[in-house]
Amino acid sequence: RKEVEQDPGPFNVPEGATVAFNCTYSNSASQSFFWYRQDCRKEPKLLMSVYSSGNEDGRFTAQLNRASQYISLLIRDSKLSDSATYLCVVEDSSYKLIFGSGTRLLVRP
Amino acid sequence: SAVISQKPSRDICQRGTSLTIQCQVDSQVTMMFWYRQQPGQSLTLIATANQGSEATYESGFVIDKFPISRPNLTFSTLTVSNMSPEDSSIYLCSVEDRAGGSGNTIYFGEGSWLTVV
Repeated sequence: RKEVEQDPGPFNVPEGATVAFNCTYSNSASQSFFWYRQDCRKEPKLLMSVYSSGNEDGRFTAQLNRASQYISLLIRDSKLSDSATYLCVVEDSSYKLIFGSGTRLLVRP
Repeated sequence: SAVISQKPSRDICQRGTSLTIQCQVDSQVTMMFWYRQQPGQSLTLIATANQGSEATYESGFVIDKFPISRPNLTFSTLTVSNMSPEDSSIYLCSVEDRAGGSGNTIYFGEGSWLTVV
């Protein structure tokens, strides 16, 4: 079983739609969680950290469920510019970051 | 966040040769890392570049293949030695920022795209 698992997609949605991605992790001792965004042929960039209480940044909402060991990312009112690959990242108990393989989002006009 | 510059940004290399990638950060950082992202795959940590001592390599990566230097707190190099087509990948330098208090946040350089022919 992979340490961090994501649905690879692609998720193909119209502009304005709401879309949600889930990510599961295997190590219950994981401490910190993040979502990164990676555009085609670009480096990953931090989108947001994920806190136990959940957090929101504009159109983006991240949730953490420790009991079920999954993390979610919700994007509301999708824009064309949201098209990218979204990487789920988990910090393990030795402070090493483990990257998921990413979920690809395509927002169409 | 720190500004991270990598070079070369891309290169096409002959099989059997070696290439050194440079990573320059605009501020002193404690932790620097090298990642690899093969086509269609996620990121895999190669090693942690330690200032003034040998790098710490992850399972599956060895110093003879990926020698790393870290002469100071703002600079590191990764060499990909005796390259084969399987080494075609993007290689990413990254630094850790704990200033936000939200754990181990990593920022990346723009990456070096290597194609081995």
